[in-house]
Amino acid sequence: SAVISQKPSRDICQRGTSLTIQCQVDSQVTMMFWYRQQPGQSLTLIATANQGSEATYESGFVIDKFPISRPNLTFSTLTVSNMSPEDSSIYLCSVVPSGMNEQYFGPGTRLTVT
Amino acid sequence: QKEVEQDPGPLSVPEGAIVSLNCTYSNSAFQYFMWYRQYSRKGPELLMYTYSSGNKEDGRFTAQVDKSSKYISLFIRDSQPSDSATYLCAMRQAAGNKLTFGGGTRVLVKP
Repeated sequence: SAVISQKPSRDICQRGTSLTIQCQVDSQVTMMFWYRQQPGQSLTLIATANQGSEATYESGFVIDKFPISRPNLTFSTLTVSNMSPEDSSIYLCSVVPSGMNEQYFGPGTRLTVT
Repeated sequence: QKEVEQDPGPLSVPEGAIVSLNCTYSNSAFQYFMWYRQYSRKGPELLMYTYSSGNKEDGRFTAQVDKSSKYISLFIRDSQPSDSATYLCAMRQAAGNKLTFGGGTRVLVKP
């Protein structure tokens, strides 16, 4: 598996502001993803973070709202822009380690927008 | 209709009982099937990973996949209070890594 850390673990933000979430993995991984888990709901894929190129977004998610960077094989950031209370969720980074098919999740970032 | 259906529970069992969880799905292209455990305020933890139909056992956990019925199950034997969590099924197609999740079943194991 892989050891995944996320920063911050939680934050409370005002509407209209932006928050950048970091995901760090202890080893090189093939794939990195960002998911959202709204209160009491299951996980929804936001985008695939591609190393060295633009992220691939799922239907309903756009780059202007959720810009993603992945400068190398072990690190990615997700920014939640111009936040509204509807963005209050847990944001999760996941990875597929090199040579494996299983997908592992980080501890999540709990975001509350007031 | 959701692609993956899962009873939200809660499912309450006495300690030592067998916990039986299941998911149904509609997309016959799903080939890989997973079960994750999620404790409150934590990220999902991968429990079982299976490919196509059949059974897989790992300690107290058994995963079953019946592709003909589009039905997957997870059994937890000798359940413990520490098994109290939300259990999420997930699945994906052969190509790509996009996971489609069920809604999760909350399990409570009472001492």
